[in-house]
Amino acid sequence: DSGVTQTPKHLITATGQRVTLRCSPRSGDLSVYWYQQSLDQGLQFLIQYYNGEERAKGNILERFSAQQFPDLHSELNLSSLELGDSALYFCASSPIGEGNTEAFFGQGTRLTVV
Amino acid sequence: DAKTTQPPSMDCAEGRAANLPCNHSTISGNEYVYWYRQIHSQGPQYIIHGLKNNETNEMASLIITEDRKSSTLILPHATLRDTAVYYCIVRVAAGFQKLVFGTGTRLLVSP
Repeated sequence: DSGVTQTPKHLITATGQRVTLRCSPRSGDLSVYWYQQSLDQGLQFLIQYYNGEERAKGNILERFSAQQFPDLHSELNLSSLELGDSALYFCASSPIGEGNTEAFFGQGTRLTVV
Repeated sequence: DAKTTQPPSMDCAEGRAANLPCNHSTISGNEYVYWYRQIHSQGPQYIIHGLKNNETNEMASLIITEDRKSSTLILPHATLRDTAVYYCIVRVAAGFQKLVFGTGTRLLVSP
């Protein structure tokens, strides 16, 4: 158990809909990362937050957005869903956002868009 | 971040050492080598990291060549539960740096 909790574990929704994925980082970790893993793309970095502020951005679509709240949990919002958004979405946390530190990953949310 | 090259797949017999190579010929002096693994769609798991000295922990050993252009992750006594995709990542140890995953090496440990 990495200490990172993601909910829900599974989500099935229809095209055009909007969903919210939730991540609770390890206790005390200030930095949260979001990754997408689809079958043909591997692990793709989406976005990073540190203590409530966006710090790094990857290949995140405009239909996707994220935020980190004062209690440090984070949410990834996916809207106008398409079939191609079906993937595993992972959240990771680390004690700090910079420097030499490892990240701890949650078990992911499997999103299926039908 | 420097790019890494890993073989797409490797096999290992249970109980034997698994040696997973990684080439990072364009690595810079301030970049660390990290290893993660992912067991069948679970969240990636941190294994080990190092700068230039060899490192060992309870999971594995990391051997980095003197010129730092390549490294080897060693699982000393592989078990079936070590079957996973192993990712070698090079990352600057300063600033806000994301982990960039490549395609990794799929290690299959067989009885």
